Amino acid sequence: DVKVTQSSRYLVKRTGEKVFLECVQDMDHENMFWYRQDPGLGLRLIYFSYDVKMKEKGDIPEGYSVSREKKERFSLILESASTNQTSMYLCASSPQGGLGQPQHFGDGTRLSIL
Amino acid sequence: SQQGEEDPQALSIQEGENATMNCSYKTSINNLQWYRQNSGRGLVHLILIRSNEREKHSGRLRVTLDTSKKSSSLLITASRAADTASYFCATPPGYNKLIFGAGTRLAVHP
Repeated sequence: DVKVTQSSRYLVKRTGEKVFLECVQDMDHENMFWYRQDPGLGLRLIYFSYDVKMKEKGDIPEGYSVSREKKERFSLILESASTNQTSMYLCASSPQGGLGQPQHFGDGTRLSIL
Repeated sequence: SQQGEEDPQALSIQEGENATMNCSYKTSINNLQWYRQNSGRGLVHLILIRSNEREKHSGRLRVTLDTSKKSSSLLITASRAADTASYFCATPPGYNKLIFGAGTRLAVHP
């Protein structure tokens, strides 16, 4: 069965820390995504990667960076965490090809920045 | 940027009743997808309807698409408590990406 695994379900960090969120998929998908989800705002795309070492900014990339060194792993980095980055972070993957392939999601990381 | 917007924002029904959620979008689409999210979990893909389809069924789910009105509806028949979740529509603005609406929160009471 398809699986997207996020390294932590819950994470608490302090302002100014560098935070790494990891995501691994076992479906050999080309595309991987990082979203944040906040009440009333739905899912907002932070970054998207369509191949190893390739990335594209989403709607809200400020304060974040990403790394994709291997096809199965996509990391989200908060360079210097701030309280307004407290949120639910969701990773997803999808195969290449066509308009709007269905995405497979991990269970999310609920991140609190104190 | 939000392409799809769900209506209503929240819906509360009794077990056995039908639940209908609507999604409106702004630009032409190739397909429209519906996802479910249980509390504290990730999204799960439910169904995809292409722009040349008007209706699609999957178990107790029925999705319609009206491209002239730029709208879609998701009907869950004979709802169960386990259907309690948030439901999102999503549309592709281009290759590979999806834009999600803010979702409808469905509560099904035993």
